[in-house]
Amino acid sequence: GAVVSQHPSRVICKSGTSVKIECRSLDFQATTMFWYRQFPKQSLMLMATSNEGSKATYEQGVEKDKFLINHASLTLSTLTVTSAHPEDSSFYICSAQQVKGYNEQFFGPGTRLTVL
Amino acid sequence: GENVEQHPSTLSVQEGDSAVIKCTYSDSASNYFPWYKQELGKRPQLIIDIRSNVGEKKDQRIAVTLNKTAKHFSLHITETQPEDSAVYFCAARYMGGYNFNKFYFGSGTKLNVKP
Repeated sequence: GAVVSQHPSRVICKSGTSVKIECRSLDFQATTMFWYRQFPKQSLMLMATSNEGSKATYEQGVEKDKFLINHASLTLSTLTVTSAHPEDSSFYICSAQQVKGYNEQFFGPGTRLTVL
Repeated sequence: GENVEQHPSTLSVQEGDSAVIKCTYSDSASNYFPWYKQELGKRPQLIIDIRSNVGEKKDQRIAVTLNKTAKHFSLHITETQPEDSAVYFCAARYMGGYNFNKFYFGSGTKLNVKP
């Protein structure tokens, strides 16, 4: 149980285009979802937290107009990187919590974004 | 917000030896501390966790200790094996209010277990 999927696993796009990444909880309802960004050989950096029924809360320094997050339902969250540039190339990972404030978060497999 | 520091950044041990990784956190509101193992290109995997009302927890070769007063927690791996080689991250869950929480991660420790 507690499986989280992400799609696509890899995406290559041209500079200036927008890319949407989907995160789904397959066998549970996720009241809270998190989006992280990870550069090579670095840690996971929290980008934003979204709770069911409310707008995403972005971390300081993360542009909300650049990284659009929509917690569309209790099983789906999407991250859209708008007008992507090479510096947006990174590994994006989502995670989900089954109950608000519950301890454990379950990670998706990640999406490798490369912007040419 | 929360600030989590992790040391060392790299750790090499001989197979069978013990490995210890240490983390500190800054915000006393943090109340849950998971440890993750991440292999290259894969998602982090939870290996052990501890709540703030517990001082120590053990699961076979892995243990975690927490000192709330000093705001630090440590991962202990005994009888290390080559398959333990990976990057390990500590994290702290910050409670921002009722039903609002988020996780902050340490910078990671690359553990290399030499056969």
